[in-house]
Amino acid sequence: IVVTQSPGTLSLSPGERATLSCRANQSIGSKYLVWYQHKPGQAPRVLIYHASTRATGIPDRFSGSGSGTDFSLTISRLEPEDSAVYYCQQFAGSPWTFGQGTKVEIK
Amino acid sequence: QVQLVESGGGVVQPGRSLRLSCAASGFTFSDYPIHWVRQPQGKGLEWVAVISHDGTIKNYGDSVKGRISISRDNSRNTVSLQMISLRPEDTGVYYCAKDGLDYSGLDVWGQGTTVTVSS
Repeated sequence: IVVTQSPGTLSLSPGERATLSCRANQSIGSKYLVWYQHKPGQAPRVLIYHASTRATGIPDRFSGSGSGTDFSLTISRLEPEDSAVYYCQQFAGSPWTFGQGTKVEIK
Repeated sequence: QVQLVESGGGVVQPGRSLRLSCAASGFTFSDYPIHWVRQPQGKGLEWVAVISHDGTIKNYGDSVKGRISISRDNSRNTVSLQMISLRPEDTGVYYCAKDGLDYSGLDVWGQGTTVTVSS
């Protein structure tokens, strides 16, 4: 299963809304999609699993939606600490592929 | 606390072998599948391999299939990744990560160990 993320880079100001896209080349339902945040020098962390369930401790400005082949991650009001690369990963079938990532830059 | 610590990275010549290890602590190791994920310098995350909680099921990424073998020792709380016939494109940071179960993602990651394949 190939997972494609867009855009490659998103440059926005604090307080703005960010919408990241993740598309699979075949249907993966709604349970098998996870979003991660990855900052330099840190381990990735789970933001959203089952496409729309926030992981423990994740602020409610992060939300996920979608099913089938099209998914999105929304950051409703960007904060400076949200600067990172965001990845989606599918768990519908092996190999458990990642998208290529979307870099979010805060102006 | 829940922790994963990778070791075994280094500089190796193309065609040679390397064995990475992942030591776990702070959770019931034998209950969880463990994954390896790598990140080439300046590039994104690439899923490499997974081993089931009891070691009976193993899956590999397409780019490493046939050259990588994953194993675990539940008595020692360790997972190993044996890599053979290494190529320059295998260069990167290798992370081990704990499966959160029920398709909830990889919820605990190590800090990574760096593999450099170069002559």
